[in-house]
Parts: sequence; structure tokens; C-alpha cells
Amino acid sequence: DILLTQSPGTLSLSPGERATLFCRASQSVSGDYLAWYHQKPAQAPRLLIYGASTRATGIPDRFSGGGSGTHFTLTINRLEPEDFGVYYCQQFGGSPFTFGQGTRLEIK
Amino acid sequence: QVHLVQSGAEVKKPGASVKVSCKASGYTFTGYFMHWVRQAPGQGLEWMGWMNPNGGGTNLAQTFQGRVTMTSDTSISTAYLDLTRVTSDDTAVYYCARVDSIGYLYYWGQGTLVTVSS
Repeated sequence: DILLTQSPGTLSLSPGERATLFCRASQSVSGDYLAWYHQKPAQAPRLLIYGASTRATGIPDRFSGGGSGTHFTLTINRLEPEDFGVYYCQQFGGSPFTFGQGTRLEIK
Repeated sequence: QVHLVQSGAEVKKPGASVKVSCKASGYTFTGYFMHWVRQAPGQGLEWMGWMNPNGGGTNLAQTFQGRVTMTSDTSISTAYLDLTRVTSDDTAVYYCARVDSIGYLYYWGQGTLVTVSS
């Protein structure tokens, strides 16, 4: 199984700042089939990025994904209040389609 | 407009079975794989497996093989998750999620809380 390790565990930032989140895979993610999701309390996750760097429909360009192989990043520019919550990466390169443990983005 | 509406919360005793449903609308049900993901209280997301409504094929995470069944009734566009021999570790919110045209989990149900308690 591919283990995804996200860092940091918690990120405390203020609105308007930039957030950079990391997702490291225990082995190369085939085809860079990696997604990022955002989850707010008591809500289902929302797809942000797929294929490591492509924004999903309706996602603002403040969100950008990068990386390949075993190292991936999610960057959020100009943080807005609604951006806070937990972010997960998920790989679709090989079954099981594992998730990272999440990064909590909180308001400073 | 795609909608996934899941069944209501369940409370089960250890050793029992639970069946969660996910009714789909707004698209051709047999055209897209359905995945199931669960989230224990205060914890992260755990991928359980997928089911192909067109033919019924499944792919389950090894953790759940032998205890989980994913099925569907195409006549009513509904997917089902069956979990047997539940324990307190199965207490979680269970989500169904439909892939988009690329294969990622774009559409999600609202989640179903399953509580296992004696």
C-alpha cells in the first residue's frame, strides 16, 4: 500500500497569507494520480485538485497543486476565512486509494 | 445536477450488520463507479473500496475484504454498503462518492453516521 504522509499536521495562518501543504508518498504515485480535498466540520470533503496540478471545476485560482512522483504540494494564496479546515491528499495510482492523515489549517 | 442522498444514522450492537444506502440522481447511474469512504470521529478519511454499477464488479481495500459488500440496485439508482460483524472501531461517518469523468471523487453524499455501541 502507498502511505501518504502530510505535513505539517497543523498550520496556523492569518487571512491574506499563503499556505503551503505537503504530501509525501512512500512510493512513486503512478501517473501522478494525486488529488487534494478540503473538508470543513460536519461536511463531506470537496475535491480541489486532481492529477496533482489541475484545479477541479469551480475552484479558484488561489489554489494550486504541484509536484510529482513522491512529493506533492498544495499552495493556497491569499487565504480567505472559508479556506480554513482540514486538507487531505489521496492517491489513485494504485489500489488501495489511500488518503494522507490530513493537515489542519487554522486561523491564527 | 448530480445528487447523492444517503440513508439516516444507525445505531448497532457489536456483532450486528449494517446496510447504508446511497441514492443517486441527475446522471446515468451505471455510467460511473461509486466509492465508499469512512471517517471515524475526529479522525481522517479511510478509503474502503469502489463498486461498478455496470456489472457489479468491486475492488475492496484488504482491510475490509470478507466483511464488506458493495452492491447496487440499478432499477432505483441506489448503491449499498453492507458491513458485517461490526465493532466499536466501525463507528464512523460513511460516505458514498461518485467519480467524475476523470476518475476522481467529485460528488459526495452527505454521510451516514454509524454508531456501534453495546
